[in-house]
Amino acid sequence: GAVVSQHPSWVICKSGTSVKIECRSLDFQATTMFWYRQFPKQSLMLMATSNEGSKATYEQGVEKDKFLINHASLTLSTLTVTSAHPEDSSFYICSATDRADQPQHFGDGTRLSIL
Amino acid sequence: AQSVSQHNHHVILSEAASLELGCNYSYGGTVNLFWYVQYPGQHLQLLLKYFSGDPLVKGIKGFEAEFIKSKFSFNLRKPSVQWSDTAEYFCAVKGSGYSTLTFGKGTMLLVSP
Repeated sequence: GAVVSQHPSWVICKSGTSVKIECRSLDFQATTMFWYRQFPKQSLMLMATSNEGSKATYEQGVEKDKFLINHASLTLSTLTVTSAHPEDSSFYICSATDRADQPQHFGDGTRLSIL
Repeated sequence: AQSVSQHNHHVILSEAASLELGCNYSYGGTVNLFWYVQYPGQHLQLLLKYFSGDPLVKGIKGFEAEFIKSKFSFNLRKPSVQWSDTAEYFCAVKGSGYSTLTFGKGTMLLVSP
């Protein structure tokens, strides 16, 4: 089946640093990748949608200058949290699909803790 | 805008009990519907999906769901749960032909042996 690999699984860093999270589709070409944020005991909230080779489309309320998304190839998308602060601590999950009419496949998520 | 409502935040059952998790959605057009499961410490996995055709959809591990268009519902069922079904279950919806999913808040199922 389709596999999505997300790295790192857990990162702890100081306030003010930038953190990059990678999302790779291992056995299919991900024309579209999605980034979600999940708060404890809450649902997944879509942050942005990225299509390979295009600028990401951000959901309302998501700062595009803070959450930089790059989808440079059909198998890799990155999310960079710039100048991270404690309120950015959360669980970030990526997903990918090769077609709009197909289900998304999810990565394992990255737990980000900002001290 | 589309939205998804899951009726129960927590469900506790004994093994062999029957399960039904409620899911209602709102969307103005043709929908695709999904149930995902997240086992402890694992990523979201697709249980089943409805795109078109027979409104009774069978998924993995004995789960099924019924799409009732008139009720905007897509409830998940399993006749006899097992301890290994302990997990969080998410209902999700997207417009047909679109890729953006909207998730419900999830239902945590705990099955006691």
